[in-house]
Amino acid sequence: AQSVTQPDIHITVSEGASLELRCNYSYGATPYLFWYVQSPGQGLQLLLKYFSGDTLVQGIKGFEAEFKRSQSSFNLRKPSVHWSDAAEYFCAVGDNFNKFYFGSGTKLNVKP
Amino acid sequence: DVKVTQSSRYLVKRTGEKVFLECVQDMDHENMFWYRQDPGLGLRLIYFSYDVKMKEKGDIPEGYSVSREKKERFSLILESASTNQTSMYLCASSLFSASAEAFFGQGTRLTVV
Repeated sequence: AQSVTQPDIHITVSEGASLELRCNYSYGATPYLFWYVQSPGQGLQLLLKYFSGDTLVQGIKGFEAEFKRSQSSFNLRKPSVHWSDAAEYFCAVGDNFNKFYFGSGTKLNVKP
Repeated sequence: DVKVTQSSRYLVKRTGEKVFLECVQDMDHENMFWYRQDPGLGLRLIYFSYDVKMKEKGDIPEGYSVSREKKERFSLILESASTNQTSMYLCASSLFSASAEAFFGQGTRLTVV
């Protein structure tokens, strides 16, 4: 069965520091992978997605993610975090039947 | 700009009431979804629809039903609301393509008292 694991529930980084959020997935076929961000009280916004080709994917707001098939991972990175990046981040895998499976989320706090 | 609109941001209902959550999308998407979001559990799929009048159960369908009479509208129904259905409900839509992303509404925070 498809599943997504985000091992970090909360992460705190200082403004200007680099960020990496971890995501591991379980899916038998070629995965379709997504990262979403949710600001408090809001819906989810797509940051980036991977479905084929280059394993390093660029997204909005300066985020990128790298697909590593051998590690079943799709980690999200940003070289320099801004205070406005404080939010909750969700990794998701899509299957061939158009369903999406989400991780439990990682809450990011940004210290001034 | 693409849009998924949920009819209410906040709802308070009494135990045993029948509750309707409405969702409309303006992108002509084939797929529509209802998710429930609880702290520490992420998003869990309640129901999924890939066409008008078609539906599939997700991971947690118990206590819920859905209706899709028109392509743009997907309703979630709580037949008899219970306190354990207090949660954030998120509607989403997507194209009928495995690589297509989901677009989300703003969510409905439902409290059952």
